[in-house]
Amino acid sequence: EIVLTQSPDFQSVTPKEKVTITCRASQSIGSSLHWYQQKPDQSPKLLVKYASQSISGVPSRFSGSGSGTDFTLTINSLEPEDAAAYYCHQSSSLPATFGGGTKVEIK
Amino acid sequence: QVQLQESGPGLVKPSGTLFLTCAVSGGSISSSNWWSWVRQPPGKGLEWIGEIYHSGTSNYNPSLKSRLTISVDKSKNQFSLKLNSVTAADTAVYYCARQGDYGTKNLDFWGQGTLVTVSS
Repeated sequence: EIVLTQSPDFQSVTPKEKVTITCRASQSIGSSLHWYQQKPDQSPKLLVKYASQSISGVPSRFSGSGSGTDFTLTINSLEPEDAAAYYCHQSSSLPATFGGGTKVEIK
Repeated sequence: QVQLQESGPGLVKPSGTLFLTCAVSGGSISSSNWWSWVRQPPGKGLEWIGEIYHSGTSNYNPSLKSRLTISVDKSKNQFSLKLNSVTAADTAVYYCARQGDYGTKNLDFWGQGTLVTVSS
């Protein structure tokens, strides 16, 4: 099973700041890495697919990068509505796995 | 716009069977997409449970495989999850989700989730 390690676990950020969340895979997964946002009491929402592919309707301040074992989700100019938990997810091999999550709080 | 809706009992007794259904609307379960189950214990992260294709081909998380059955009902445009011999560790919000088009494995549409509590 591929283990995904996210960091940090928690981040408190002021609006308009840049946020960087990392996800490290225990073995190479190519670009088979996806990012989701989950707000309290809501289901996850797809933000980025296959490491860096944008999703229609997702604000352009969200972007992803990386390949192999190291990946990054970047939120440029954080908005108050971006307060949420963020999860990475690998689909390179079964079982699919998720990172432990990163909670982003607005100061 | 595809929509998914989970349904099933919110309370299951220990050693009992958890059964959930995911109704798909706005699209066909016989499309070229895989259909997944994901769960989230209260206050914790996401866990992939398994997936199924409309042909009936399925893949399960090895940690649950001995207790798990995922099935599809094309006539009702829905798929289901059955988990046997449940314990308190199976208490979670259960989500159904659709994988992307053209064989992509990202989860692009999710149900709103249903909380299942295992307790006597």
